[in-house]
Amino acid sequence: DAGITQSPRHKVTETGTPVTLRCHQTENHRYMYWYRQDPGHGLRLIHYSYGVKDTDKGEVSDGYSVSRSKTEDFLLTLESATSSQTSVYFCAISVDSVHEQYFGPGTRLTVT
Amino acid sequence: KQEVTQIPAALSVPEGENLVLNCSFTDSAIYNLQWFRQDPGKGLTSLLLIQSSQREQTSGRLNASLDKSSGRSTLYIAASQPGDSATYLCAVSSTGNQFYFGTGTSLTVIP
Repeated sequence: DAGITQSPRHKVTETGTPVTLRCHQTENHRYMYWYRQDPGHGLRLIHYSYGVKDTDKGEVSDGYSVSRSKTEDFLLTLESATSSQTSVYFCAISVDSVHEQYFGPGTRLTVT
Repeated sequence: KQEVTQIPAALSVPEGENLVLNCSFTDSAIYNLQWFRQDPGKGLTSLLLIQSSQREQTSGRLNASLDKSSGRSTLYIAASQPGDSATYLCAVSSTGNQFYFGTGTSLTVIP
């Protein structure tokens, strides 16, 4: 357990509304990640962060933005949710020295 | 872009059997490879990490090997138990900060 929590754990929202998902860690790891998991696609990287205010895009970043104003929090925002963003979202951290990843419990997002 | 493949997609074995799960990747210039298990509706649990310079790692009944030249890793599970039933995922990183996942092998161990 790497002390990773995600909130909310479940959310239903309507198309066109903004949504923010929060990832919180308790161990001050530098690297944090947001993934989405969909049937047939596995986990795909959305964005990652390598420090406060330092972020970069992953494989499927279109329609998503992120922010990291504190080491412990990494926020994922869907500016205008679409049905294609219905998914399970996972946050992860990696241990700095060897980049071993640990995952949070996930957030199930449904966009109607 | 790294492509990661896991075959078979599903596997069913009787309890007590030894089994091997496969992971292949297209770019041999990797930083590390990590194996996870995922239970239904849950997050991912790290099982083993193999760094680029290593050939294998062991934890209890699990042994993971890495052959970069052939683009393959295997996860060996000895004396399988019903509690081992889960989906097993491998993830490959070429840089240490971008990871590519396979779609997993769903394992069922029959009592």
